[in-house]
Amino acid sequence: GAVVSQHPSWVICKSGTSVKIECRSLDFQATTMFWYRQFPKQSLMLMATSNEGSKATYEQGVEKDKFLINHASLTLSTLTVTSAHPEDSSFYICSARGWGPETQYFGPGTRLLVL
Amino acid sequence: QKEVEQDPGPLSVPEGAIVSLNCTYSNSAFQYFMWYRQYSRKGPELLMYTYSSGNKEDGRFTAQVDKSSKYISLFIRDSQPSDSATYLCAMSAGVRSGGSNYKLTFGKGTLLTVNP
Repeated sequence: GAVVSQHPSWVICKSGTSVKIECRSLDFQATTMFWYRQFPKQSLMLMATSNEGSKATYEQGVEKDKFLINHASLTLSTLTVTSAHPEDSSFYICSARGWGPETQYFGPGTRLLVL
Repeated sequence: QKEVEQDPGPLSVPEGAIVSLNCTYSNSAFQYFMWYRQYSRKGPELLMYTYSSGNKEDGRFTAQVDKSSKYISLFIRDSQPSDSATYLCAMSAGVRSGGSNYKLTFGKGTLLTVNP
């Protein structure tokens, strides 16, 4: 149980284009989903928290107009990197929390390379 | 002082060794403590979850939480080469303590290599 998927797992795009990453909780309903960014050999950096049906809460320093987050249902959240630039190249990971006080279950991550 | 401190290692041990991984923290509001394992280029996988102080055992893994010392540990017995990964501690204050949506605070991670 508690499986989270992400799609795509790998994406290469040209500078200036937009990229959408999907995060799905496959076997549970996620009240809250989180989006992280991870640079090589570094820990996870929380970008934003989203609750189903409401606006995402962004961490300080994260541009909300650049990283658009939509949490349209209890099983799906999307992150759109708008007008991507090479510095946006990174490993993006989502996680989902269910109803209990347990914890977050992570997706496998999406590696983004902007040329 | 950072909220969560974790020695990044790297830590290299022979197969079969007992591994001890640790984190310290400063926020006394933390109540939920987790250990994640992350293989290279993969998302973190939840290994152990503990609420408040105490010990929890699951197979070769034992998690300990000492809230009085603000110190948590993960022990791996009979370590295997497949245990080679980065281990991240994480903790949360939870909603009851004013934490928002169980947001997790992570340590930097310890890179472990178990040599055959």
